[in-house]
Amino acid sequence: EPEVTQTPSHQVTQMGQEVILRCVPISNHLYFYWYRQILGQKVEFLVSFYNNEISEKSEIFDDQFSVERPDGSNFTLKIRSTKLEDSAMYFCASSIGTVELLSGANVLTFGAGSRLTVL
Amino acid sequence: QLLEQSPQFLSIQEGENLTVYCNSSSVFSSLQWYRQEPGEGPVLLIALYKAGELTSNGRLTAQFGITRKDSFLNISASIPSDVGIYFCAGYSYNFNKFYFGSGTKLNVKP
Repeated sequence: EPEVTQTPSHQVTQMGQEVILRCVPISNHLYFYWYRQILGQKVEFLVSFYNNEISEKSEIFDDQFSVERPDGSNFTLKIRSTKLEDSAMYFCASSIGTVELLSGANVLTFGAGSRLTVL
Repeated sequence: QLLEQSPQFLSIQEGENLTVYCNSSSVFSSLQWYRQEPGEGPVLLIALYKAGELTSNGRLTAQFGITRKDSFLNISASIPSDVGIYFCAGYSYNFNKFYFGSGTKLNVKP
């Protein structure tokens, strides 16, 4: 079964360092997302990406964050200068997306997540 | 577009049935239920698309409210491997955005 893969599974970094989290979405999916989950809390939307550009971003996704799809397969989230409060699980998700709401459409397939610990 | 989920925590005996509720003041194009096991990403359980739709997936049954603002997920004959966090998610086609509930943490005691 197709899956979304994320690397690294766990990254420890010092405050102020840059971090890049990588994701390989399902190949025929068109919409890509990053979500964040602080331990024990809800899944929070960061950003959505479609047609090689950001379609929407949340208040959390400030100037320290950026996303790109450099080579048509990888989808990356970069945090320029990490803060302690960036410590969380970061999930990549993808969706095939369709024009009409058909069964099986517009649902998310998540990766296993990248745990980021900022010291 | 806030999704309120209840209860927050549920601890039940193996074999018992349970129901999780999801309510919003907003209308959604689709309402989905996901389960997250410890250390993993959420996995889709059931997706609902039509108002009033009732769908089953094994021991799981979910219904989308007539107003498209609410849903419930029922799990029958619970087993220990049902543990995890259950999230509802409303999808808005107009905004192409998913809105997640705060989750229900389920514990099943053998």
